[in-house]
Amino acid sequence: KAGVTQTPRYLIKTRGQQVTLSCSPISGHRSVSWYQQTPGQGLQFLFEYFSETQRNKGNFPGRFSGRQFSNSRSEMNVSTLELGDSALYLCASSVRSGRAGVETQYFGPGTRLLVL
Amino acid sequence: AQSVTQLGSHVSVSEGALVLLRCNYSSSVPPYLFWYVQYPNQGLQLLLKYTTGATLVKGINGFEAEFKKSETSFHLTKPSAHMSDAAEYFCAVSETSYDKVIFGPGTSLSVIP
Repeated sequence: KAGVTQTPRYLIKTRGQQVTLSCSPISGHRSVSWYQQTPGQGLQFLFEYFSETQRNKGNFPGRFSGRQFSNSRSEMNVSTLELGDSALYLCASSVRSGRAGVETQYFGPGTRLLVL
Repeated sequence: AQSVTQLGSHVSVSEGALVLLRCNYSSSVPPYLFWYVQYPNQGLQLLLKYTTGATLVKGINGFEAEFKKSETSFHLTKPSAHMSDAAEYFCAVSETSYDKVIFGPGTSLSVIP
């Protein structure tokens, strides 16, 4: 079974531009979460989607948005990029399985965004 | 509001020695607690998680953690360190499973041969 894939893996943009990152979850996983990792702020939760609906959102400005498609693939968009948006953006997919409904989460390798 | 503190931004242990990474949390509701590992230049990997029930949680790669409500702690241990354990470890807390997770600042583990 293929893991969580993220595209592109590396990206360079300039201030003011916008960017779209893509995440393909593991087949059968309906929940996708996004995280930002920076040296200064550490790991921060961005948002989580389940069955095309955003269920939770972290404390990020409205420039950060996302969506999920019917095939569970997810995109996140950052508009009007700032230098501080330079980060590793991680995507994870999760699924509940078994009689007890145990939830398991798997991460993708991340997209490293550099804003110049 | 929930928060996580990890004592020691950097921990060094000798190969074969006990690994102990400390995590304390604050939460107004019964928490979900997690430990994640990030190997150099790689994404995150879930080591283990506590939801409800048994307070001693076993994870992958020989790691385990114990939830102690009275101490608001969720320390990560491994009896014998291996060189391959060198990585960044993050403790995290959430009210409702994987969404809206609050991460600690991380502890970098070095293993000395």
